[in-house]
Amino acid sequence: DVKVTQSSRYLVKRTGEKVFLECVQDMDHENMFWYRQDPGLGLRLIYFSYDVKMKEKGDIPEGYSVSREKKERFSLILESASTNQTSMYLCASSLAALNTEAFFGQGTRLTVV
Amino acid sequence: RKEVEQDPGPFNVPEGATVAFNCTYSNSASQSFFWYRQDCRKEPKLLMSVYSSGNEDGRFTAQLNRASQYISLLIRDSKLSDSATYLCVVSPNTNAGKSTFGDGTTLTVKP
Repeated sequence: DVKVTQSSRYLVKRTGEKVFLECVQDMDHENMFWYRQDPGLGLRLIYFSYDVKMKEKGDIPEGYSVSREKKERFSLILESASTNQTSMYLCASSLAALNTEAFFGQGTRLTVV
Repeated sequence: RKEVEQDPGPFNVPEGATVAFNCTYSNSASQSFFWYRQDCRKEPKLLMSVYSSGNEDGRFTAQLNRASQYISLLIRDSKLSDSATYLCVVSPNTNAGKSTFGDGTTLTVKP
């Protein structure tokens, strides 16, 4: 079974802190994604990566950066956390092929106070 | 206008009912289509892919209408366990798999 593991299920951080969300997948997938999910707004793509050290902005990259130093690991960084970044963050991975399924991690509920 | 639009619901139906969800997409170059299911406080999981010829998996039937740019999901003989949010997903014709998710349609099946 594909497994996508996010480092924390729940996280509480203070405004202005630098926050790291880690995601690891064990199926050698080329593509990895970070989404945030908010009520009424659905899943919105923050960043994605289709190869090691490659990254592309999604729909809402402002206030975030990412790092992909190894194929299995994709990190989301909040440079200076703000209260409007309180959200559910979901990491996903998929093969680099058409019509392939995305597998999600269990999500990290981040609260910025 | 959103790239992928779904009726948010909620749909409240009795057990045994048939319920249908529609989803419209704006990018005519979209190539791959999916329905995902998301249970409360859980991650989304693939329910089924949607093929041009339509496809069926047990009580679930998915259809694609490229001319009108919509996909549909039909659930027959609803079970309590079908209660969830159903997400429509559309992907472009690239290997990067950068998909666009609809906001989801919430279904509650009642006894």
